[in-house]
Amino acid sequence: DIQMTQSPSSLSASVGDRVIITCRANETIGSYLNWYQQKPGKAPKVLIFAASRLQSGVPSRFSGSGSGTEFSLTISSLQPEDFSTYYCQQSYSMPLTFGGGTKVDI
Amino acid sequence: QVQLQESGPGLVKSSQTLSLTCSVSGASVSSGSYHWNWIRQPAGKGLEWIGRLSTSDSPNYNPSLKGRVTITLDTSNNQFSLKVASVTAADTAVYYCARGRSFFDFWGQGTPVTVSS
Repeated sequence: DIQMTQSPSSLSASVGDRVIITCRANETIGSYLNWYQQKPGKAPKVLIFAASRLQSGVPSRFSGSGSGTEFSLTISSLQPEDFSTYYCQQSYSMPLTFGGGTKVDI
Repeated sequence: QVQLQESGPGLVKSSQTLSLTCSVSGASVSSGSYHWNWIRQPAGKGLEWIGRLSTSDSPNYNPSLKGRVTITLDTSNNQFSLKVASVTAADTAVYYCARGRSFFDFWGQGTPVTVSS
């Protein structure tokens, strides 16, 4: 299985901050990397797919980058509704696997 | 708009079989263009992909569930189902169904399942 490691596991930030979350795969996955946002009690929502492509309807303050084994999700200016948990997920090979999550709070 | 809705018992006894159904509207499970997935999340923990199925592909299951999983499509009712056999407390989680190809674009709201002894 491909192991996905996110860092940090949690972070505290303020409205307006630039936030960067990283995701590392233990083997190369090309650009087969997706990012999700999950709010408490809700299903995850896809933000970024194929490492850097913004899903329709997602604000442009979210961006993704990376390829191979190192990836990042950047929120350029944190908004109150962005306080959530974020997960990366690889779709390169079976079984599909997620990172452990990064909780962003105040 | 594509919508998915999970249904099934919220309480299952240990060693029995967990059975859930996902009803789909706004898309057809028989189209073959997408995979129909099950994903679970224990309380306070991360996401675990369980498996997927499409009409154009063989099913794929997570080996971590040690062959206890079966996913089936019901094209006549536009649904798909999950069965997990021989459940233990470790199978207690919120279970989500989701549509996917290279990423999961539509999800159900999730249904909690507790395994009791």
